[in-house]
Amino acid sequence: SQTIHQWPATLVQPVGSPLSLECTVEGTSNPNLYWYRQAAGRGLQLLFYSVGIGQISSEVPQNLSASRPQDRQFILSSKKLLLSDSGFYLCAWSAGLAREQYFGPGTRLTVT
Amino acid sequence: SQQGEEDPQALSIQEGENATMNCSYKTSINNLQWYRQNSGRGLVHLILIRSNEREKHSGRLRVTLDTSKKSSSLLITASRAADTASYFCATGNAGGTSYGKLTFGQGTILTVHP
Repeated sequence: SQTIHQWPATLVQPVGSPLSLECTVEGTSNPNLYWYRQAAGRGLQLLFYSVGIGQISSEVPQNLSASRPQDRQFILSSKKLLLSDSGFYLCAWSAGLAREQYFGPGTRLTVT
Repeated sequence: SQQGEEDPQALSIQEGENATMNCSYKTSINNLQWYRQNSGRGLVHLILIRSNEREKHSGRLRVTLDTSKKSSSLLITASRAADTASYFCATGNAGGTSYGKLTFGQGTILTVHP
């Protein structure tokens, strides 16, 4: 069966520090991968998605970036965090576009 | 702007009652999906209904889709305290720059009292 991992679960970082969040998927090949951000009590905002290694589509302009160095690995990064980057970050995978998505447990990021 | 908008924003019921949540959207869709999120956790996929389907069932869940009104409803029958969660609809978009992506609504917070 397929599983999706995210780490860390929680993170507290000062403004201006770098960020690296990692997501890995097991049990499937060539998944579509997604990064979302969820503000408290709100819906999900799609940040990035990828349909293959090295292919990244960015949905919103921001100081975040994403990379997919391996088929089942998706990384969310920032060189300098802003206070507005605080939120709940969710990674998800799907077998194709507009298909069911399967989410990881999320990372709670607090920028202080 | 958000594609899916849920109504109501919050719903509080007693165990054993039915819970109905509604979702409206604006553009053409391939499918509409419902997800559940327990507090502080990731989303869990509940059910997918395609644009050419009108109703779908899964256990105590019943989803309807009316593409002429661009709306969907999720009915949870005989609710349990464990159903307490946020419920999101997500539209799988059919065209334009949003093709193939899911657009999530703001969610309905369901509280089921024992």
